[in-house]
Amino acid sequence: DAGVIQSPRHEVTEMGQEVTLRCKPISGHNSLFWYRQTMMRGLELLIYFNNNVPIDDSGMPEDRFSAKMPNASFSTLKIQPSEPRDSAVYFCASSYTAGKLFFGSGTQLSVL
Amino acid sequence: DAKTTQPNSMESNEEEPVHLPCNHSTISGTDYIHWYRQLPSQGPEYVIHGLTSNVNNRMASLAIAEDRKSSTLILHRATLRDAAVYYCIPNSGNTGKLIFGQGTTLQVKP
Repeated sequence: DAGVIQSPRHEVTEMGQEVTLRCKPISGHNSLFWYRQTMMRGLELLIYFNNNVPIDDSGMPEDRFSAKMPNASFSTLKIQPSEPRDSAVYFCASSYTAGKLFFGSGTQLSVL
Repeated sequence: DAKTTQPNSMESNEEEPVHLPCNHSTISGTDYIHWYRQLPSQGPEYVIHGLTSNVNNRMASLAIAEDRKSSTLILHRATLRDAAVYYCIPNSGNTGKLIFGQGTTLQVKP
């Protein structure tokens, strides 16, 4: 298995632009998680899905952030408009029925 | 979610055992204790988990105190590749979501 696949690996954008991060979970997994990591705040859970349905989005910072999971093999995290304080590494992870999490390699986002 | 306390950093010599402690005094009776680690520039990876009994796998051992208020991750022979941030995470297991603390940064010296 290829593991959790995230794209792009790096994203540099200007303040005010829309950013879309993508994630392909491991086939057969039914839970998907989006995390954000910064030096100041560590690893933060933003949102998670179970069977493609958002279960808990209490970690989403504000309305500029949105996440979708249109099917079991794809999820997106969108930031619109982006701000410099959104600069971070964004990780996607998947699991099967509350089992261990498998993380992707992350997307390094820089908002100038 | 139960609060955890881990040392900010630890050092070890290569080929020696490492004991990484974690206090989780507010853990509930149904919370599993999970350990993940994050190598530099990578996403976290699963290490081990347990409920009450000590657990062993190919990566590490997990020793859980009888009152379950603390646990220790044991790396039997540290290698340079084990240098990482180690996270201890109590979790009920119902949802699968994990809340990461600050973890312990382990340095391994040759």
